[in-house]
Order: sequence, then C-alpha cells, then structure tokens
Amino acid sequence: DAKTTQPPSMDCAEGRAANLPCNHSTISGNEYVYWYRQIHSQGPQYIIHGLKNNETNEMASLIITEDRKSSTLILPHATLRDTAVYYCIVRVANDYKLSFGAGTTVTVRA
Amino acid sequence: ETGVTQTPRHLVMGMTNKKSLKCEQHLGHNAMYWYKQSAKKPLELMFVYNFKEQTENNSVPSRFSPECPNSSHLFLHLHTLQPEDSALYLCASSPGPTQETQYFGPGTRLLVL
Repeated sequence: DAKTTQPPSMDCAEGRAANLPCNHSTISGNEYVYWYRQIHSQGPQYIIHGLKNNETNEMASLIITEDRKSSTLILPHATLRDTAVYYCIVRVANDYKLSFGAGTTVTVRA
Repeated sequence: ETGVTQTPRHLVMGMTNKKSLKCEQHLGHNAMYWYKQSAKKPLELMFVYNFKEQTENNSVPSRFSPECPNSSHLFLHLHTLQPEDSALYLCASSPGPTQETQYFGPGTRLLVL
C-alpha cells in the first residue's frame, strides 16, 4: 500500500544527471519524502529526505514541488555504480514505518 | 558502509535445523529492526526494538524468534523453517524509533532446503 508512484525503470548515460520522478499526490502535511536505493542483493542505502524545502547532500539533490504532490531525485553525475533500484517513500512524522514499493530500476550505461 | 553489520552473509539450512542471524550496529542507535525481502516482493517489516524492548511484531510466525540483549545487538533465531522462508533478511537501526532515518545492514541471504 505504498503511497508513491514511480516509473518501473529508466536508463541514463554515465556522467549525465539522472532525474528520478516520484508522485505522492495524497501526501499529508506531516509526511516526509525519503529516498533509498538498493544495489542488487545488498541492503537499502539511505540517500536523502525532505519535508518541504529542496535538499542537497553529497549523494543527491531532492526537489519537492510547491504543492508537495511530487518530487524529483537528482543524481548529478551518474556512474555505473549508481545502477540500483531507487525507492521513493512517504513517511509519517513520528512513525518508524517505511513502506517500500516496487521502486524504479535505474540502469546507468557507459 | 560498516555502521550496521550482519552475519552470516549467506546461510543454507534444512527445515529441521536451528540457526541464528546476528546484527550489530556501531552507530550508537537505540532502535533496531528486522526486515524480510522475498524475491520480487517489497521489504516487509518483521520486528522493532526500542531500547531493547520489542515494540512491534508484525504477525511473524513463531518459528522466527528475535532477541535484543542490548541496543547494539539484535539476533533472529530460526527453527523449523519452511522453504518459503528463503529470503534476504535485513537488519536496520535508527537513533530512535520515530521519524529517524533507518540505516540498513548488508543482509543475510537465507536458503531453506
């Protein structure tokens, strides 16, 4: 019962920016947007999260629309090691539950 | 990342065996979690511990028995498992149980024969 919608797959070129979209049209005011990724057969890796404002860290940038109904994860310079399944998760404040959906399988090609 | 470690990384066991999975976190966190990831299925939360106390058991069969002796260690004891229990078992930890980022270990790949 994931509250997000992501494209099932996307390709991107090595060295280019990868823009991963996520729709969360029913998001509530106290819900955060989290992004994780999972490289094949490994544990999920935390990438970034945000509430209203755009966020940036050493891995990625998160752009949240003003109405908060969608967001985009940006990997600024994709490398082959960024090939993974990327999960966009909406999480209620003060709730530990992470509901992982199917995610987007991102393939970075040389 | 080595903040959350899990052993063994791979395990093959028969249905009559008893085995244990171990998780250790080196992040000073107070909450720990067990997740199960079956093939082509989303992650499923199994158990949650906060300050060594179990706060969530997500209708997990009794053949899975968790143990949390302290905030840094979490075990999952397995006995009389079924082949459908074959999956990737993931441990995670967070500073606290609510609205805190969870950090995952590499997982234990379990095969039940």
